[in-house]
Amino acid sequence: SQTIHQWPATLVQPVGSPLSLECTVEGTSNPNLYWYRQAAGRGLQLLFYSIGIDQISSEVPQNLSASRPQDRQFILSSKKLLLSDSGFYLCAWSAPEVYGYTFGSGTRLTVV
Amino acid sequence: AQSVSQHNHHVILSEAASLELGCNYSYGGTVNLFWYVQYPGQHLQLLLKYFSGDPLVKGIKGFEAEFIKSKFSFNLRKPSVQWSDTAEYFCAVRSNYQLIWGAGTKLIIKP
Repeated sequence: SQTIHQWPATLVQPVGSPLSLECTVEGTSNPNLYWYRQAAGRGLQLLFYSIGIDQISSEVPQNLSASRPQDRQFILSSKKLLLSDSGFYLCAWSAPEVYGYTFGSGTRLTVV
Repeated sequence: AQSVSQHNHHVILSEAASLELGCNYSYGGTVNLFWYVQYPGQHLQLLLKYFSGDPLVKGIKGFEAEFIKSKFSFNLRKPSVQWSDTAEYFCAVRSNYQLIWGAGTKLIIKP
């Protein structure tokens, strides 16, 4: 069966420090991969999506970036965190041509 | 730009009351529609989804939703809620590779 792993679960980082959140999917190949941010009272905001290795689309201009170095690995990064980057980040995957989404357990990021 | 509106940010009901959560979207083309639920401290879970066919969709835990194309709506319903339905509910519309999300409705059921 397919599983999605996301880590770390919580992270506290100082302003200006770098960020790397990792997400991996098991049990499937060529998944569509997504990074979302969930802000309190604002629902889910799509940050990046990827339909293949090194194919990344950005939905929101920001100081975050995403990479997909392997088929089932999706990484969210920042060179310098801002206070406004605090939030709950969710990775998700879907199979191409199938319209269901499965979410990871999320990362609570606090920038101090 | 496409958008999804959930009319109520907070809903408080007593047990056994009937529930209807509103969801409207702006996209005019073919849509795939979803309701997700997030119980306190847990992951997002899919409640139900609509792709085509019967506009009345049955989901898990006694939930259902009706797709009304002329109203661009996909309201979530449950005839009799339970305390365990306390959660946040999200409506979402699929457009190309993206899900466009509503802001969510926090549902609190009083025991």
